[in-house]
Amino acid sequence: GIQVEQSPPDLILQEGANSTLRCNFSDSVNNLQWFHQNPWGQLINLFYIPSGTKQNGRLSATTVATERYSLLYISSSQTTDSGVYFCAVGWYGTASKLTFGTGTRLQVTL
Amino acid sequence: DSGVTQTPKHLITATGQRVTLRCSPRSGDLSVYWYQQSLDQGLQFLIQYYNGEERAKGNILERFSAQQFPDLHSELNLSSLELGDSALYFCASSVSGGNNQPQHFGDGTRLSIL
Repeated sequence: GIQVEQSPPDLILQEGANSTLRCNFSDSVNNLQWFHQNPWGQLINLFYIPSGTKQNGRLSATTVATERYSLLYISSSQTTDSGVYFCAVGWYGTASKLTFGTGTRLQVTL
Repeated sequence: DSGVTQTPKHLITATGQRVTLRCSPRSGDLSVYWYQQSLDQGLQFLIQYYNGEERAKGNILERFSAQQFPDLHSELNLSSLELGDSALYFCASSVSGGNNQPQHFGDGTRLSIL
């Protein structure tokens, strides 16, 4: 099956700092989503981005499908950005399931 | 708010018992997916239903079963529960059965086995 790797595994930032999270995948995908899991366990859908670039406020994402990676940018981080960020992909070779990476745990401190 | 509703939010039960988790998809979505998030296995796909029919199966144990009803809500039944079944169970929905569209996740049901 498809492999999804996220880096870094852990990240500690001061409030106001910027960060880039990376997601590498091992095969062609037709679905890529970024999620934020908050401390209460809720999975918040950030972006549906199988290719191209999208922006939503302080967050933006870019997927380069031909090179099999996606990046999530967080600018001017806030303590509410803390949590785990997951990349999940839908692979051409499977049914509709999403395969999740192991996540990047982000802690934003004051 | 994703529009996907899961009940209950928390469930505490004992080994050997049986529980039912319920999911109502977003209005208009025909596909429902179940995922399990455990400490050792991460987030894993269990099963997908599309318009009442099973569409895809993942790492779902034989003790687990699911169905999707004519009103499109879905239930995940877990039986002969073991300590290792303690996890966060998510339901997601999408418009149709293909994987070239976003899945929208509910808030999850946290299952604790004592």
